[in-house]
Amino acid sequence: DARVTQTPRHKVTEMGQEVTMRCQPILGHNTVFWYRQTMMQGLELLAYFRNRAPLDDSGMPKDRFSAEMPDATLATLKIQPSEPRDSAVYFCASGLPGLAGAYNEQFFGPGTRLTVL
Amino acid sequence: AQSVSQHNHHVILSEAASLELGCNYSYGGTVNLFWYVQYPGQHLQLLLKYFSGDPLVKGIKGFEAEFIKSKFSFNLRKPSVQWSDTAEYFCAVMGSGGGALNFGKGTSLLVTP
Repeated sequence: DARVTQTPRHKVTEMGQEVTMRCQPILGHNTVFWYRQTMMQGLELLAYFRNRAPLDDSGMPKDRFSAEMPDATLATLKIQPSEPRDSAVYFCASGLPGLAGAYNEQFFGPGTRLTVL
Repeated sequence: AQSVSQHNHHVILSEAASLELGCNYSYGGTVNLFWYVQYPGQHLQLLLKYFSGDPLVKGIKGFEAEFIKSKFSFNLRKPSVQWSDTAEYFCAVMGSGGGALNFGKGTSLLVTP
């Protein structure tokens, strides 16, 4: 049963510390998405990659957030320095393009629950 | 501006009651529509999707949704809810060119025994 995996599942850190979240997309999926879920804003796109190249990172605060795909099996989201307002659940999702570039389904990982004190 | 609106933020129903959750969108061009469900403490799972064809789509666990283009709506329905349907439900839209999902704020459903 292919799944998107994310580590860590929970992270508590202090303000100013660096946080790195990892995602392993489903094997063969060439598109990876990072979403953030908060009570106030709901689910928001941070960034997404296709074939490891960033296509859209307009939702990501550039001064402290960075997203990369070192290889096809690993996506990382880094926050440096972290702030209390970054507390949220961060979801990774992966997919394959279908007709006209649309994705039939994005498969979501279990999320990383980040708490910044 | 592109947006997705879910009318009900919190819904409480008794078991066996019928469910309808509203979703409206504002998008230019052709859209692909989705409903995702998030059970407590779990990740998002796809309930159903609409790309083209029959505007009435059936999903898992007895859910269905109807795409009404003239109303820019994609409401989710279930004739008889169960306690296990307690979850958060998200409507999402994707442009025809693919890319990321644009989610509504979600509707929290509580089904009481």
